[in-house]
Amino acid sequence: SQQGEEDPQALSIQEGENATMNCSYKTSINNLQWYRQNSGRGLVHLILIRSNEREKHSGRLRVTLDTSKKSSSLLITASRAADTASYFCAPYGGATNKLIFGTGTLLAVQP
Amino acid sequence: DTEVTQTPKHLVMGMTNKKSLKCEQHMGHRAMYWYKQKAKKPPELMFVYSYEKLSINESVPSRFSPECPNSSLLNLHLHALQPEDSALYLCASSPQREEQFFGPGTRLTVL
Repeated sequence: SQQGEEDPQALSIQEGENATMNCSYKTSINNLQWYRQNSGRGLVHLILIRSNEREKHSGRLRVTLDTSKKSSSLLITASRAADTASYFCAPYGGATNKLIFGTGTLLAVQP
Repeated sequence: DTEVTQTPKHLVMGMTNKKSLKCEQHMGHRAMYWYKQKAKKPPELMFVYSYEKLSINESVPSRFSPECPNSSLLNLHLHALQPEDSALYLCASSPQREEQFFGPGTRLTVL
């Protein structure tokens, strides 16, 4: 299916450390998006990487995409307590062009 | 205005009630979405409207009835819901195949 599978399911780190989340998917894509969700709230778009891009940066975020391995990673550098949230990857494209969210990684940043 | 607004924030209803969820955006986006999210799960796509026409229905039960009165508004009419329909209902909009902008959601409880 187009849905992403994320790893790890949960991650706990100290403030100032880096956090890396991985996403794997199974079908071809037009782009892959990452979203953040604070507890019980709406999702916030973080970054979009297109299928012809390999790496993208936005502030403390770095996203990589390897279409040959059908995988992506999100790196958050110098994490802060405010980064505590669930992070979802969302591969976009394939036959249906629907955005299907991955299983998510729950990140806890300890102050 | 770069917001998606949703009303109400919370809704409690009985199984025989009829209620509606509302979503509004003024970003000129021509695609709008309804998602359902259960606790500790990713959002699940329910409906997609493109240019005010229903383009995707993810086999959602007929007790959920979407409506798009104009390019800025999206409604979700609820009737004869079941307790298992209790969830966070998220609305989103997008300029077609790009990032989606989410509202804060409506927390629905069905008694």
